[in-house]
Amino acid sequence: QVQLVESGGGVVQPGRSLRLSCAASGFTFSSYTMHWVRQAPGKGLEWVAVISYDGNNKYYADSVKGRFTISRDNSRNTLYLQVNPLRAEDAAVYYCARPHDNSDWYSMYHWGQGTLVTVSS
Amino acid sequence: QSALTQPASVSGSPGQSITISCTGTSSDVGGHDFVSWYQQHPGKAPKLMIFNVSNRPSGVSNRFSGSKSGNTASLTISGLQAEDEADYYCCSYTTSSTLVVFGGGTKLTVL
Repeated sequence: QVQLVESGGGVVQPGRSLRLSCAASGFTFSSYTMHWVRQAPGKGLEWVAVISYDGNNKYYADSVKGRFTISRDNSRNTLYLQVNPLRAEDAAVYYCARPHDNSDWYSMYHWGQGTLVTVSS
Repeated sequence: QSALTQPASVSGSPGQSITISCTGTSSDVGGHDFVSWYQQHPGKAPKLMIFNVSNRPSGVSNRFSGSKSGNTASLTISGLQAEDEADYYCCSYTTSSTLVVFGGGTKLTVL
């Protein structure tokens, strides 16, 4: 079955960098677009970034453009999100998500359990 | 402020039907059929309920349906059940540089 497992969250000081990972299994990772979505404590869902199946196309929310970098390693079935530099408003649970099918860019069918990023000095 | 506008809350009694609206513009909801809806229970990951305006993924109850008219998409839940109480989010493709945008979310209370 499809599994997405995020890791890399924790308590990080403002201004520092962080790399989140999402390990995928149970499907052909290299065939699917992948998303990052975040949710600040007590707030709604915020789309963060998407990357095409081959890594050649990437899009970002305006709030993270220039600071976040989405990437993937299809040989390792892993999605990444590099955050640099961290701001207080980046504190959130970060989810990776896979669309419903491999021709789809815009739905998020499978979700990981999320990884919590806390920004604190 | 979210690009897609949803009511903050809706409520209904068991067995009733409710509709949650999601209003955007011709650059997102009105211009394309890539609208999806998500259900989220407290402390849980979101769950896809509707994709491409009106399609239900396998395993989602047919009590959930989606539609669109102009710049407004809607999620209708019929035969409300206690377990439907959750937050619901709409999401759309957008022609802006960001590509994807969520609504602010709607809290559904089953009375």
